[in-house]
Amino acid sequence: GAGVSQSPSNKVTEKGKDVELRCDPISGHTALYWYRQSLGQGLEFLIYFQGNSAPDKSGLPSDRFSAERTGGSVSTLTIQRTQQEDSAVYLCASSYALAGDEQFFGPGTRLTVL
Amino acid sequence: AQSVSQHNHHVILSEAASLELGCNYSYGGTVNLFWYVQYPGQHLQLLLKYFSGDPLVKGIKGFEAEFIKSKFSFNLRKPSVQWSDTAEYFCAVNNNDMRFGAGTRLTVKP
Repeated sequence: GAGVSQSPSNKVTEKGKDVELRCDPISGHTALYWYRQSLGQGLEFLIYFQGNSAPDKSGLPSDRFSAERTGGSVSTLTIQRTQQEDSAVYLCASSYALAGDEQFFGPGTRLTVL
Repeated sequence: AQSVSQHNHHVILSEAASLELGCNYSYGGTVNLFWYVQYPGQHLQLLLKYFSGDPLVKGIKGFEAEFIKSKFSFNLRKPSVQWSDTAEYFCAVNNNDMRFGAGTRLTVKP
């Protein structure tokens, strides 16, 4: 079946603009995660959603970052007033449940802030 | 704070050499442990995982990892690497939520 998809694959924006990144998880997966992968920095957890529970936003680096998940499926990560340090690959992953299940990753969105 | 540590940032090996990548975590209690791999230009994918039972876990492509609870470690091993193993390897620990290590870049010279 289809894997996790993300769009756009690449996004170039100017400093100060807002961007929206989209993630379509695998159908039936209740848990959805967002990560940021910066060069040499590994994977940085940003936020996760589990079913209808309130999301864990503990990894969001600032209040310019927000995410929502509509209908328990598609998720959008929004970065307001982008800064150059926001440049990174943003990865989305989904799994059947929160604890212990394998996460399936999307291809990522490469964000470049000029 | 809970953390996952990968000791090596970049490892360079020749083909047929043996590999061991270190991973330590600081979580207490029950954890689920994973190794993910990201080949150049590809998605992150699961290499192997440990939930319970035999602490020596076999994964794909000849990889294995050993969970040593007393050392809070989950090191990844492969007896003989190939050029195609060139990739970035991430250790991850799940204890209510998932945390990844910083990754280890493996370069295998032909």
